[in-house]
Amino acid sequence: AQSVTQLDSQVPVFEEAPVELRCNYSSSVSVYLFWYVQYPNQGLQLLLKYLSGSTLVKGINGFEAEFNKSQTSFHLRKPSVHISDTAEYFCAVSAAYSGAGSYQLTFGKGTKLSVIP
Amino acid sequence: DTGVSQDPRHKITKRGQNVTFRCDPISEHNRLYWYRQTLGQGPEFLTYFQNEAQLEKSRLLSDRFSAERPKGSFSTLEIQRTEQGDSAMYLCASSPPTSGRSEQFFGPGTRLTVL
Repeated sequence: AQSVTQLDSQVPVFEEAPVELRCNYSSSVSVYLFWYVQYPNQGLQLLLKYLSGSTLVKGINGFEAEFNKSQTSFHLRKPSVHISDTAEYFCAVSAAYSGAGSYQLTFGKGTKLSVIP
Repeated sequence: DTGVSQDPRHKITKRGQNVTFRCDPISEHNRLYWYRQTLGQGPEFLTYFQNEAQLEKSRLLSDRFSAERPKGSFSTLEIQRTEQGDSAMYLCASSPPTSGRSEQFFGPGTRLTVL
């Protein structure tokens, strides 16, 4: 089984400042990693994903994340945030093998990013 | 728009009533998933279909819950004898044959309130 810990439940940041949202995971098998964004009263939209290869992953809206296997982390970063980035962000993991349970996404509790004008 | 659609978007019901939600996945997506999201939590996996076959069910899916995908296209999630603890957002997602675990596309969700 996998688990995900998002270390900050809320992150306030001023507009045009950089931001990092932290995510740590636990798993006994290799994993795929994801960041999703959820705007109020909407479903989840995929920001970026790590499946294999380069540990630095670039996504939509200027976000990027770095997979660190030794620290079991997958932190999300953006060098300059905008008001429109205000939303809740979820880190998720799935098992990187074929078999029972491998299609389930396990999510963290989310981090609410508030961008202050 | 050809994304995942869910109906209804909001449902208010009284405790003890039955409710049914519908999910229409993206066309040609053979995999369909149901998740539940309670306030302040991330989504939690409920069940997964590949075509019409229900392949996985979470322990969260009590015997009051039943999901179907009879023709491998749309899916329904029914909750019988609703309880206040069932109040949550119910999210549906789908994925195509080629991407599998690499991406799930989510619908807008159905928000259930049990009074």
